[in-house]
Amino acid sequence: DAGITQSPRHKVTETGTPVTLRCHQTENHRYMYWYRQDPGHGLRLIHYSYGVKDTDKGEVSDGYSVSRSKTEDFLLTLESATSSQTSVYFCAISESGAGGYEQYFGPGTRLTVT
Amino acid sequence: GESVGLHLPTLSVQEGDNSIINCAYSNSASDYFIWYKQESGKGPQFIIDIRSNMDKRQGQRVTVLLNKTVKHLSLQIAATQPGDSAVYFCAENSRANNLFFGTGTRLTVIP
Repeated sequence: DAGITQSPRHKVTETGTPVTLRCHQTENHRYMYWYRQDPGHGLRLIHYSYGVKDTDKGEVSDGYSVSRSKTEDFLLTLESATSSQTSVYFCAISESGAGGYEQYFGPGTRLTVT
Repeated sequence: GESVGLHLPTLSVQEGDNSIINCAYSNSASDYFIWYKQESGKGPQFIIDIRSNMDKRQGQRVTVLLNKTVKHLSLQIAATQPGDSAVYFCAENSRANNLFFGTGTRLTVIP
């Protein structure tokens, strides 16, 4: 694995509670991404970051926010978790944008919202 | 809209045979494609990539073929081994310059 850790690896939470997932990298890559993976949908981009304090939305950003205060950390926050946000969340990093650079993925966080 | 899909959701092959996993894409402007392998409980792992100025690229036991005329991508695995059993995803760089993933094909290798 390319120096990417995610925490927690598993979490069960109740509807309406806030949840923050953390992605940490040791590769000093500029780009970081958050995806969710659901059966039948593959990987879908939630948010991404192209530098410290620089973030943008992906295709499924509603209900999620992100922050990046340091190069190595990218946080994903669910302000008020809903059952539809039960999923496996993956963080990825890349040296540059997806115009020609591979993304390396973390081990994932399994989130269950009850 | 964009779509990156797979012709077959599952594929079973005998150990030692060659495997071919297919992928169709609809964005003719995409110029970069990647194949990933995902084992159960793990994150996707980069296998091989190809740019649109190429038709073929080879790696260790893997070959990716790109047919831009019909917007088709394939991954060939030579001498398939039990350790190759996994879900394989193709991805293309989208108009937003991010990766857009297909839903995956599950490859099962029969010993």
